[in-house]
Amino acid sequence: EAQVTQNPRYLITVTGKKLTVTCSQNMNHEYMSWYRQDPGLGLRQIYYSMNVEVTDKGDVPEGYKVSRKEKRNFPLILESPSPNQTSLYFCASSPGQGVAQETQYFGPGTRLLVL
Amino acid sequence: AQSVAQPEDQVNVAEGNPLTVKCTYSVSGNPYLFWYVQYPNRGLQFLLKYITGDNLVKGSYGFEAEFNKSQTSFHLKKPSALVSDSALYFCAVRDSLWGTYKYIFGTGTRLKVLA
Repeated sequence: EAQVTQNPRYLITVTGKKLTVTCSQNMNHEYMSWYRQDPGLGLRQIYYSMNVEVTDKGDVPEGYKVSRKEKRNFPLILESPSPNQTSLYFCASSPGQGVAQETQYFGPGTRLLVL
Repeated sequence: AQSVAQPEDQVNVAEGNPLTVKCTYSVSGNPYLFWYVQYPNRGLQFLLKYITGDNLVKGSYGFEAEFNKSQTSFHLKKPSALVSDSALYFCAVRDSLWGTYKYIFGTGTRLKVLA
């Protein structure tokens, strides 16, 4: 089944303890993105990647890191989480740019609580 | 700078009546416009998109949207609402400027279809 998977789905951690949220897609998509969803703020793009080893900042990159060492994986790293990073996180992938390809497929989400 | 506005936090409509969820946008170049839907405790699902061509776009589940360049709007519509359409709807825009993949999402509109 074509899908985007995220792990873990739920995570409770403490301030300052490094964590990684994994994202993997099995559709051979070129583009991947990370978003956070907060009440009243909608979705905000954190980082995106247009190819292996090519990443760039979205609207809210502070406090986050990403890497794209292989096409299928796009992990989100919080080096020193803080309570204001408590949120619902979504990973998404899309085939590329252009009329037929410009559709994002979203993962199920990761709910993060930072104490 | 890109921006998206969804002026209504919630829209209530009776089952069988037509529905409209509003979206206006601002981009520097030509816009790529999208609607996504989020059902409770789920990720986002693609509904429809405008990249180029016909201003009236038809999408999944009987939804459609009209791109209006002069009013910078992309309102989502459906002729006859179903209770199962109740969900959170997000409008999104990407500037067609080549070389970036920055997405801006609106804050979301909760649609409630009453039986």
